[in-house]
Amino acid sequence: GEDVEQSLFLSVREGDSSVINCTYTDSSSTYLYWYKQEPGAGLQLLTYIFSNMDMKQDQRLTVLLNKKDKHLSLRIADTQTGDSAIYFCAEIQAAGNKLTFGGGTRVLVKP
Amino acid sequence: NAGVTQTPKFRVLKTGQSMTLLCAQDMNHEYMYWYRQDPGMGLRLIHYSVGEGTTAKGEVPDGYNVSRLKKQNFLLGLESAAPSQTSVYFCTTLGNRGYLETQYFGPGTRLLVL
Repeated sequence: GEDVEQSLFLSVREGDSSVINCTYTDSSSTYLYWYKQEPGAGLQLLTYIFSNMDMKQDQRLTVLLNKKDKHLSLRIADTQTGDSAIYFCAEIQAAGNKLTFGGGTRVLVKP
Repeated sequence: NAGVTQTPKFRVLKTGQSMTLLCAQDMNHEYMYWYRQDPGMGLRLIHYSVGEGTTAKGEVPDGYNVSRLKKQNFLLGLESAAPSQTSVYFCTTLGNRGYLETQYFGPGTRLLVL
């Protein structure tokens, strides 16, 4: 079945880089996503990567995909206090249009 | 263009009461989804719809029913609320090409069942 896992918590100092990791089990995943959720709000799509790509960069965000190990990571460069939030990875398969989410990683940025 | 709206934003129910959550979208999207979010468990899919008049079960459908009588509305019903259904409920839609850069989240409905 589908399973997406993330670590629960990450603490980082302002200005440092953050790396949030995610593992998934389904090799038929076509797209993998990173969402950000701020307190009391819905989820905001940050970035996504197609499964035939290894890396995608978008301003301060870098997504790395290791398809062999089924490992996805999100690197945030120069982390700011506004980056404090819960980050969810998610995947979708070619066979359907349903997202499977990880449990979320709470990122706390300390000044 | 309002995107995805959810009604109500917050509700308190007593055990055994019923209620309906409404999700409305004005983007002509075919796919609509109901998720629940609980701490440490991410979002879990309750039910979804791939078009008007169709519904399907997701990961955690028990205790919920849905209807998609009109393309723009997706209703989630709780016939007899239980404390385990205390959660934040999100409705999402997916564009017709199936690419999630066209996905939209509603603002969420916080439900407390006493």
